Amino acid sequence: DQQVKQNSPSLSVQEGRISILNCDYTNSMFDYFLWYKKYPAEGPTFLISISSIKDKNEDGRFTVFLNKSAKHLSLHIVPSQPGDSAVYFCAASSDSGGSNYKLTFGKGTLLTVNP
Amino acid sequence: EPEVTQTPSHQVTQMGQEVILRCVPISNHLYFYWYRQILGQKVEFLVSFYNNEISEKSEIFDDQFSVERPDGSNFTLKIRSTKLEDSAMYFCASSASGGWTGELFFGEGSRLTVL
Repeated sequence: DQQVKQNSPSLSVQEGRISILNCDYTNSMFDYFLWYKKYPAEGPTFLISISSIKDKNEDGRFTVFLNKSAKHLSLHIVPSQPGDSAVYFCAASSDSGGSNYKLTFGKGTLLTVNP
Repeated sequence: EPEVTQTPSHQVTQMGQEVILRCVPISNHLYFYWYRQILGQKVEFLVSFYNNEISEKSEIFDDQFSVERPDGSNFTLKIRSTKLEDSAMYFCASSASGGWTGELFFGEGSRLTVL
């Protein structure tokens, strides 16, 4: 039951270039979306989020775009830095039905930024 | 910077044994969670806890699992009779708010290996 899908298990980019990580979802009840970053031997760390009433949220080098009609979101990192190398998880939650405590995660995309 | 701490970092146990994983959430947070990640799989929600009771639990969280906040600082996950398929990384998380905008802060995880 993959309600949140990250179809690219890995992505490799050059330092200074743009990294684009993609995420698709199937549950139309999701109305809040988050990106988490995870380094080896550490827990996931919150990166950026977006609510369904917006189509873009920007925080420094990180921008998340949401296309509700396509049920698609993407994370742009520009410029990419070697320290950005990590696994990136897309996550979603719903404010309906009392399920706002639960995040549904994708499988993650391993980003490698080469110097 | 405040952080969620988990112990032990790694536990090896025999099938059928009881295991308790411990977590110290961030001190002013009110909502607590357990997630797990089986090797190579996505991070999965197990349970959320607020005001000394379970707010929501997943289908994974069956009668073998229980959570407790025995004092003002610890939050524990108990597995009564471990199975091989319980082998996973277990992440504790906490948040200041439980609403859909609540950012979760994750611990580094406890790796459970059931033999």
